[in-house]
Amino acid sequence: DSGVTQTPKHLITATGQRVTLRCSPRSGDLSVYWYQQSLDQGLQFLIQYYNGEERAKGNILERFSAQQFPDLHSELNLSSLELGDSALYFCASSPGRVAKNIQYFGAGTRLSVL
Amino acid sequence: GQQLNQSPQSMFIQEGEDVSMNCTSSSIFNTWLWYKQDPGEGPVLLIALYKAGELTSNGRLTAQFGTTRKDSFLNISASIPSDVGIYFCAGEYGNKLVFGAGTILRVKS
Repeated sequence: DSGVTQTPKHLITATGQRVTLRCSPRSGDLSVYWYQQSLDQGLQFLIQYYNGEERAKGNILERFSAQQFPDLHSELNLSSLELGDSALYFCASSPGRVAKNIQYFGAGTRLSVL
Repeated sequence: GQQLNQSPQSMFIQEGEDVSMNCTSSSIFNTWLWYKQDPGEGPVLLIALYKAGELTSNGRLTAQFGTTRKDSFLNISASIPSDVGIYFCAGEYGNKLVFGAGTILRVKS
């Protein structure tokens, strides 16, 4: 158990809909990272928050947004969903602000867009 | 942007054999990391490498940070059934991790 909690584990929705994925980092970790893992593209970095503020941005679509709350949990919002958004979405956390720190991954949320 | 080429894509080996996989890139990375992902779980860090030429072991696992900073390899000695999974390399550049596509390891017991 990494100590990172992601909910829900599975999500099935339709095209055009909006969903919210939730992540609770390990106790004491200030950084949260979001990744997308799809069959044809591997793990892709989406975005990082550190202590409530956006720290780094990767290949995140404009339809996607994230935030980190004062209690350090984070949410990833995906809107106007398309079939190609079906993937595993992982959250990771680390104590510091730099990506090379050990990142602890949650078990992921599997999103299926039908 | 930075891309990592990880090989082989998959391996099917006999229990007890040694395994070798590697990652290469045309770009320089500051840090190389090796992760393992079991089915239904998130990746778990195996080894982190921070300096060019660094050779680090973690039990039966050994990894090296290439001297050009453009490659890294991971060796697993005397493989056992629980080594099954997907192994990912990741390079850190500009405070972002770039992941390879993964090596699927299947062990024949």
